[in-house]
Amino acid sequence: DGGITQSPKYLFRKEGQNVTLSCEQNLNHDAMYWYRQDPGQGLRLIYYSQIVNDFQKGDIAEGYSVSREKKESFPLTVTSAQKNPTAFYLCASSIEPGARQPQHFGDGTRLSIL
Amino acid sequence: AQKVTQAQTEISVVEKEDVTLDCVYETRDTTYYLFWYKQPPSGELVFLIRRNSFDEQNEISGRYSWNFQKSTSSFNFTITASQVVDSAVYFCALSEAASGGYNKLIFGAGTRLAVHP
Repeated sequence: DGGITQSPKYLFRKEGQNVTLSCEQNLNHDAMYWYRQDPGQGLRLIYYSQIVNDFQKGDIAEGYSVSREKKESFPLTVTSAQKNPTAFYLCASSIEPGARQPQHFGDGTRLSIL
Repeated sequence: AQKVTQAQTEISVVEKEDVTLDCVYETRDTTYYLFWYKQPPSGELVFLIRRNSFDEQNEISGRYSWNFQKSTSSFNFTITASQVVDSAVYFCALSEAASGGYNKLIFGAGTRLAVHP
């Protein structure tokens, strides 16, 4: 089945540690996105990529980094510079970057501080 | 600036009741798209519907219906004869065509729906 796979489902970070969240899609979608969800809030955009080897900062990119070396993969690294990383992280993709295209989501990674 | 407001934080109903989730949006663009997503307890967001700003026809899909009114900048979602499986957080989102070519979704804060047996 086509879809978006995020791993791991749960992740724990120690002080000063970088951690990487995986996102893989087999939908052949050009565009991919990372969102952060905090309790009682909507989703906020961290980074997005319209095409391979290109990515742009979203609204809350500080303390995060991404790469897009392959069409199907868009990993997110939460660096030690992100002082409040505890949240639910969702990866999404759309067939193209246009405003009319619905985004399809993975089932998320929950990150907590040890 | 674009904004999506879902004023209802939580709604609790008994099974078989009808329930309406409100969504009010703000945009200066004339071409935009509105979306509803469902987030069940498992966490993933499930796409339910997209509406473009030029199509004000209401839509019905089974027990779900959507009422889009540009005059009041609202895009409300009604579940008829609710079921326990409808329990989830529902998000309304806005995407503007003028946002530089990429698909920036502005989400509301979500409405948590609890349907009790």
